[in-house]
Amino acid sequence: QVQLVQSGAEVKKPGASVKVSCTASGYMFSTYDINWVRQATGQGLEWMGWMNPNNGNTDYAQTFQGRVTMTRDISINAAYMELSSLRSEDTAVYYCARARSPDVFDIWGQGTVVTVAS
Amino acid sequence: QSALTQPPSASGSPGQSVTISCTGTSSDVGDYNYVSWYQQHPGKAPKVMLYEVNKRPSGVPDRFSGSKSGNTASLTVSGLQAEDEAEYYCSSYVGSNNPYVVFGGGTKLTVL
Repeated sequence: QVQLVQSGAEVKKPGASVKVSCTASGYMFSTYDINWVRQATGQGLEWMGWMNPNNGNTDYAQTFQGRVTMTRDISINAAYMELSSLRSEDTAVYYCARARSPDVFDIWGQGTVVTVAS
Repeated sequence: QSALTQPPSASGSPGQSVTISCTGTSSDVGDYNYVSWYQQHPGKAPKVMLYEVNKRPSGVPDRFSGSKSGNTASLTVSGLQAEDEAEYYCSSYVGSNNPYVVFGGGTKLTVL
């Protein structure tokens, strides 16, 4: 079936970087944009940006400009989100989501918990 | 890229209808018919319930409907059922030279 499977939980120290993977199956990976959305504990959803797996083009939310990088490996149907200069406020669940169209996130990964603590 | 405004909570009894609002600006909700609604149960990933204001993905009950007037979009859940209790988020896609997506703060729907 169509699904996105994300990498496991991460614990990082402030100032470090984290790279989360999102592996697609059940559909043609290059056909749909992959978005990244995060959710701090007890908080709402926050859009981080998206990537076109076909050409690697990206758009990032202003909040994360300069700290986030989204990439992909077409050969293994994987998308990656790397967030640098981590701080405690980056502690959250990070989701990847397929965009069936720019405004419709129809398939979501299971989420990856990233904890930033000294 | 300010978050859309939703009421923090809403409630209704089984069988009743409840409407959740989502207020943006003339630059996002008011300018595009690209409003989506997501349902999220605790510990789960969000699930799209409506897109392009009032379109339902396959499998979403027709008890869920959407509308938009000016800068405010609304989600109505009719015939409330216990399983509708969840957090609901609206989102708006803003197409421009630097397109982006903005979410609302979320509304906790309680079925009494």
